[in-house]
Amino acid sequence: QTVVTQESSLTVSPGGTVTLTCASSTGAVTSAFYPAWFQQKPGQPPRPLIYSTDNKHSWTPARFSGSLLGGKAALTLSDVQPEDEAEYYCLLYCGGAQLMFGGGTKVTVL
Amino acid sequence: QITLKESGPTLVKPTQTLTLTCTFSGFSLSNSGAGVGWIRQPPGKALEWLALIHWNDDKRYSPSLRSRLTITKDTSKNQVVLTMANIDPVDTATYYCAHKHCSGGSCYYDFDYWGQGTLVIVSS
Repeated sequence: QTVVTQESSLTVSPGGTVTLTCASSTGAVTSAFYPAWFQQKPGQPPRPLIYSTDNKHSWTPARFSGSLLGGKAALTLSDVQPEDEAEYYCLLYCGGAQLMFGGGTKVTVL
Repeated sequence: QITLKESGPTLVKPTQTLTLTCTFSGFSLSNSGAGVGWIRQPPGKALEWLALIHWNDDKRYSPSLRSRLTITKDTSKNQVVLTMANIDPVDTATYYCAHKHCSGGSCYYDFDYWGQGTLVIVSS
């Protein structure tokens, strides 16, 4: 079974930029994995941010962007705001309509 | 406006079968491409995708839980039901249902609208 790996934690200063990555145990992540990204704050359901690699939902702030980077899916947060402190999860389509979430990255704004 | 709400027991005994219902509004599961998924999250842990049912009754399950899960839909009631057999304390989690994202005539393997989740505790 595919394992999806994310950084466990990252720290960024307000106004700074941070990039989170999402790797697959089967090899390079491509657009065929349809990478999606979610933000989750304590006590809340996940909030979708990015779908199909780099597409934003209508509610996604412009400072969030998705891409492919070095064989991984990536989520970049630019001009980070205090309210961006949260857990971030990637979701990959692993073929046969099988889906897999990563283990999550806790982003601390400090 | 799409909304989803999960319902089911809060406390379940080990070895029992868990039945969770997702009641939704704002879309129809009879529309081409539509789908509803279930995702769970143990306390303090990561999200785990469980199952997905499509408008045409196509069903997909997490390989690790396939033998214990059944997902069904009742289009007339706007409900999706997930059953999990032989429940164990490690199944203690918040269970979410979510709408499969479709927009602009295309559907994607992600979820754009989520319920608030329902906490299920497995304990004797």
